[in-house]
Amino acid sequence: DAKTTQPTSMDCAEGRAANLPCNHSTISGNEYVYWYRQIHSQGPQYIIHGLKNNETNEMASLIITEDRKSSTLILPHATLRDTAVYYCIVRVGARNAGNMLTFGGGTRLMVKP
Amino acid sequence: NAGVTQTPKFQVLKTGQSMTLQCAQDMNHNSMYWYRQDPGMGLRLIYYSASEGTTDKGEVPNGYNVSRLNKREFSLRLESAAPSQTSVYFCASWTMRAREPQHFGDGTRLSIL
Repeated sequence: DAKTTQPTSMDCAEGRAANLPCNHSTISGNEYVYWYRQIHSQGPQYIIHGLKNNETNEMASLIITEDRKSSTLILPHATLRDTAVYYCIVRVGARNAGNMLTFGGGTRLMVKP
Repeated sequence: NAGVTQTPKFQVLKTGQSMTLQCAQDMNHNSMYWYRQDPGMGLRLIYYSASEGTTDKGEVPNGYNVSRLNKREFSLRLESAAPSQTSVYFCASWTMRAREPQHFGDGTRLSIL
């Protein structure tokens, strides 16, 4: 699986958009980009994932560059409850259980009042 | 919806004691995983099971054994606990469909004195 690079920490004002970048320059054509977050050492929570196209769901938007070498997770209106560690992961989307998620250090997002 | 359930939530052991961590999922997922997370670190895979009756080593398997009891249950055993195994342990499950994410339990916090 491709390695990812994320900033160690970021701050965001409550109510503003939080834009979390992720570099995955060695991503392969069949690898998906997944985003998870972890709040207060709870179990990781799935947010969103994509392959080529931009994606949006009730939690966030995912913007993937045309060359797929980087992506940005957007939380449109950050709240204090969005304070968490956010993990960007790339994984082959094949039917192979061995393609487990590899979690790096992630980005610690602090949403401030 | 229960999802992935882990027991116990907290445990304190003495060095050399043995213990089994339990995990059950009610989503009919094929594959199940055990991760550990040390303070300030990402998750590291210990063992996984692609399907009932199969298990494979992950990144950090030493000192652990696993059993895939049936499709629902996947247990992790520490035969002789060591202080280095003090960690938070997460269980996860996955359908093995590319578009579906892994689902995580809330973790077991294990301290070994």
